Amino acid sequence: QKEVEQDPGPLSVPEGAIVSLNCTYSNSAFQYFMWYRQYSRKGPELLMYTYSSGNKEDGRFTAQVDKSSKYISLFIRDSQPSDSATYLCAMSDGQNFVFGPGTRLSVLP
Amino acid sequence: DGGITQSPKYLFRKEGQNVTLSCEQNLNHDAMYWYRQDPGQGLRLIYYSQIVNDFQKGDIAEGYSVSREKKESFPLTVTSAQKNPTAFYLCASSRMTQYGYTFGSGTRLTVV
Repeated sequence: QKEVEQDPGPLSVPEGAIVSLNCTYSNSAFQYFMWYRQYSRKGPELLMYTYSSGNKEDGRFTAQVDKSSKYISLFIRDSQPSDSATYLCAMSDGQNFVFGPGTRLSVLP
Repeated sequence: DGGITQSPKYLFRKEGQNVTLSCEQNLNHDAMYWYRQDPGQGLRLIYYSQIVNDFQKGDIAEGYSVSREKKESFPLTVTSAQKNPTAFYLCASSRMTQYGYTFGSGTRLTVV
């Protein structure tokens, strides 16, 4: 079993849809959870950062962490074509840092 | 503005050549990392350095070498021993692991 699993997609949605991106993980020591957005031929940029369980909202983006299920999610509301990118989850236990493989998202106008 | 600068953006290598990719950061981060990204694949760790004059191999270090003589700089050399070097290379840095990484804009290396 891989340490972090993420559906690679591609995921195609119409503009305005709510998008749900997910990762599962196996290491219960992870406490710091992140989502990165990577546009084609660019470096990943930090989108959302969450410590431990709970929700965090920033504009159209909501990050959720369920440590009991070892499951994290990123929701994008009112998705826009400019949201088309690869989304990578990442997590850390304070020493080790692991990325998911990424989900490619296309938002169609 | 603080950030990470990778150069060049595009690099072409002939068979049997060594090439060096530059990575400079002005974020005052202690740790720096090199990742390789192939189409449709995730990030694979090549080397990392948590302090000046010290570095560790990642998951795919064979055919690569690094140095960390200054806190700000972490160049990556792709040697002729790397049989399949065509890829997108990303440099990153972090203050502390739990705060996440800051990435550069990447170097696309192509063997010609």
